[in-house]
Amino acid sequence: QTVVTQEPSFSVSPGGTVTLTCGLSSGSVSTSYYPSWYQQTPGQAPRTLIYSTNTRSSGVPDRFSGSILGNKAALTITGAQADDESDYYCVLYMGSGTNWVFGGGTKLTVL
Amino acid sequence: QVQLQESGPGLVKPSETLSLTCAVSGYSISSGYYWGWIRQPPGKGLEWIGSIYHSGSTYYNPSLKSRVTISVDTSKNQFSLKLSSVTAADTAVYYCARLSIMGFKDWGQGTLVTVSS
Repeated sequence: QTVVTQEPSFSVSPGGTVTLTCGLSSGSVSTSYYPSWYQQTPGQAPRTLIYSTNTRSSGVPDRFSGSILGNKAALTITGAQADDESDYYCVLYMGSGTNWVFGGGTKLTVL
Repeated sequence: QVQLQESGPGLVKPSETLSLTCAVSGYSISSGYYWGWIRQPPGKGLEWIGSIYHSGSTYYNPSLKSRVTISVDTSKNQFSLKLSSVTAADTAVYYCARLSIMGFKDWGQGTLVTVSS
């Protein structure tokens, strides 16, 4: 069974830059998996940040960017702010069968 | 602006069937996109349950496939989830969403369903 991997936790200083990654337990992530990224704060529904690797959702500031880095999808946050402290999830589209698979999420701390 | 709103019982007994409905406004389900369900157990991550295409084709998480049914009612512009033989492990916040292969585009606010006798 394919597992989508994310760092369990990460920390960044205010104003700093952080890159979160989304990988596969077996194989490499490419644009063909249409990686997407979501931000979730406690008690709230997820908010769509990035879809199809690097397209920002409406209203998402340009300090959030998506890319492929090596064999993983990546979400980079530049100029981190206190309210970026959230859980971040990636999703890969695996095609017919397993279809959409969520990563386990990364808890980002801004301090 | 597309809005999605989940509704259904907040408490379900073990072994019974969980039933939720997602009402969609601002977009006609029959016009396109996939429409799906995602859940999040307390303190845990998100899990895709299944999706239905606007044409009616369904796609389910293999781990839940034997217990899940998703259907659409275009006349009411809503879609539904049924999860049978529930246990405490099915206790979660259930979200509905509009999605494509490129990702989840719009989300409902979520509804907590507790499985308990």
